[in-house]
Amino acid sequence: AQTVTQSQPEMSVQEAETVTLSCTYDTSESDYYLFWYKQPPSRQMILVIRQEAYKQQNATENRFSVNFQKAAKSFSLKISDSQLGDAAMYFCAYRGSNFGNEKLTFGTGTRLTIIP
Amino acid sequence: DARVTQTPRHKVTEMGQEVTMRCQPILGHNTVFWYRQTMMQGLELLAYFRNRAPLDDSGMPKDRFSAEMPDATLATLKIQPSEPRDSAVYFCASGLGYATNEKLFFGSGTQLSVL
Repeated sequence: AQTVTQSQPEMSVQEAETVTLSCTYDTSESDYYLFWYKQPPSRQMILVIRQEAYKQQNATENRFSVNFQKAAKSFSLKISDSQLGDAAMYFCAYRGSNFGNEKLTFGTGTRLTIIP
Repeated sequence: DARVTQTPRHKVTEMGQEVTMRCQPILGHNTVFWYRQTMMQGLELLAYFRNRAPLDDSGMPKDRFSAEMPDATLATLKIQPSEPRDSAVYFCASGLGYATNEKLFFGSGTQLSVL
């Protein structure tokens, strides 16, 4: 079974600075998808960024980028120019690529605080 | 914008009562997931459907929980009888199916409190 580990329960960063959230995972599959979701106090789960394992290039979405290290099974999220609206819980998630294995397996989350 | 709609947003009930949570997936999505979020266990998959057929409900306590899709526009999650340990936020999510299911769209969740 796949597992996802987020070792940082809480992180804080000064507004406008850069922060990196860590995620590691365990799988025996060679092809899969990785995601970062944001959950603000409103409770809504918002997709931040996704990465296909077969792509070597790291995904980027505006101020959000990932460092995907397939051999190390590591998938960290970098937030540049942090803004107050980035304060939220961030969840790393894994999804297999095989038919019938579409479920997302989530990490335990990292609570990100932005210091004005 | 298309969105997944969940009702009710909040539910407070007494132990032993039946609880029904509803989800309207995004039109055209054929995969529906139910997740439960608690402080202790995080986000857990309860069940998921494709084309209204259950594919995996191994995460769901069978004795009190049931999940159905009466039609393509409605998914339901029922708890009978409810217990205090069922208190959690229940999320529904929908997607386009295996080939392009890289994105799941989540509803706003139902916060359930069982007293």
